[in-house]
Amino acid sequence: DAGITQSPRHKVTETGTPVTLRCHQTENHRYMYWYRQDPGHGLRLIHYSYGVKDTDKGEVSDGYSVSRSKTEDFLLTLESATSSQTSVYFCAISQIGQSNEKLFFGSGTQLSVL
Amino acid sequence: AQKITQTQPGMFVQEKEAVTLDCTYDTSDQSYGLFWYKQPSSGEMIFLIYQGSYDEQNATEGRYSLNFQKARKSANLVISASQLGDSAMYFCAMREGDAGGTSYGKLTFGQGTILTVHP
Repeated sequence: DAGITQSPRHKVTETGTPVTLRCHQTENHRYMYWYRQDPGHGLRLIHYSYGVKDTDKGEVSDGYSVSRSKTEDFLLTLESATSSQTSVYFCAISQIGQSNEKLFFGSGTQLSVL
Repeated sequence: AQKITQTQPGMFVQEKEAVTLDCTYDTSDQSYGLFWYKQPSSGEMIFLIYQGSYDEQNATEGRYSLNFQKARKSANLVISASQLGDSAMYFCAMREGDAGGTSYGKLTFGQGTILTVHP
């Protein structure tokens, strides 16, 4: 357990509305990520952060923005939700050792855009 | 071209037997990392094992081992003594580039293999 909490766990919203998903971690990890999971695509990286106010785009960043004003919180915002953004969203943190590397995921947020 | 290929959409294994889940990868980087994750029906993503491209020995974590064949670009997951609780989707993933740089955590995933363990 890497101390990752995602909220909300489930959300239903309408097309065109803004949505913010929150990822909170309690172990002071520097690196945080947002992935989405769709059937037939595995997981794909949306945005990532290497520290406070240090964020960058991943593979599928169009339509998403992120913010990280505190080490423990990484927010993902859909400025104007579309049906194609219906997905399961996972937050993750990196734990890096001398010869090991682990990416731990939160429990996920199921987002439905109607 | 697919960076991570998992050719087995579904696999079946008898309880207590070993099973191998296939994964091939494509990269031109010399430094990379390979990961396996388990996703049970409850939906969480569970880290299983990691192999660095410079690691000469195959990684092992309990009943999980990664059969790393660098020349063939394969990173198969071996589960020994299967248990009913091993029934899940399994994902292979790769991190390209130097882990000491800006590539931490930026994984490319395969499409997964559904493993079913029969009693």
